[in-house]
Amino acid sequence: EIVLTQSPGTLSLSPGERATLSCRASQSVSGNYLAWYQQQPGQTPRLLIYDASSRAPGIPDKFSGSGSGTDFTLTISRLEPEDFAVYYCQYHSSSPRTFGGGTKVEIK
Amino acid sequence: QVHLLQSGADVKKPGASVKVSCKASGYTFTDNYVHWVRQAPGQGLEWLGWIDPKSGGTSYLQKLQGRVTLTRDTSISTTYMELTGLISDDTAVYYCARGHFRGFLDYWGQGALVTVSS
Repeated sequence: EIVLTQSPGTLSLSPGERATLSCRASQSVSGNYLAWYQQQPGQTPRLLIYDASSRAPGIPDKFSGSGSGTDFTLTISRLEPEDFAVYYCQYHSSSPRTFGGGTKVEIK
Repeated sequence: QVHLLQSGADVKKPGASVKVSCKASGYTFTDNYVHWVRQAPGQGLEWLGWIDPKSGGTSYLQKLQGRVTLTRDTSISTTYMELTGLISDDTAVYYCARGHFRGFLDYWGQGALVTVSS
């Protein structure tokens, strides 16, 4: 079973700043089957990135994913008010399709 | 457009069972797995399992094996998640989500709050 560890737990930034979120896997993620989701307060999770770096339809290019093997990154280039939310990574190949513990991006 | 409509909130006593439904529309129901994910209050996301609506095949989170069962009714494009032997730690919002063929979850239901309380 792959365990995903996200860091930091909370990221305090100002609007307009760049956010860099990390997701580390306990073993190599074959095929880079790594997804990122955004969950705004009181809302359903929304798919942002799949296959480590492919943006889902309708997702603005301020969101980008990178990485391979065991280390993956989600970058938000310029934070806007609606980007302050919790972000989760997920292994999306074989079962169990584990999630990381999440990173909360909050307004500084 | 793809839509997953879940049943409403429910309150159960410890030891009871709960069954949550998820009705799919806007795509061919048997083309995609349906996954179930839960989120306890103030906590992160926990993947529970998937069902292949075409075959009925399933895969479950090991720690819930024996307590969770996923089923489907293809005639009404609906999947069900049943959880037995409820304990307070099962209090959570339960989501269904459509699985893309590459395994990520591209559309989510609105969630169903299940509260376990005596």
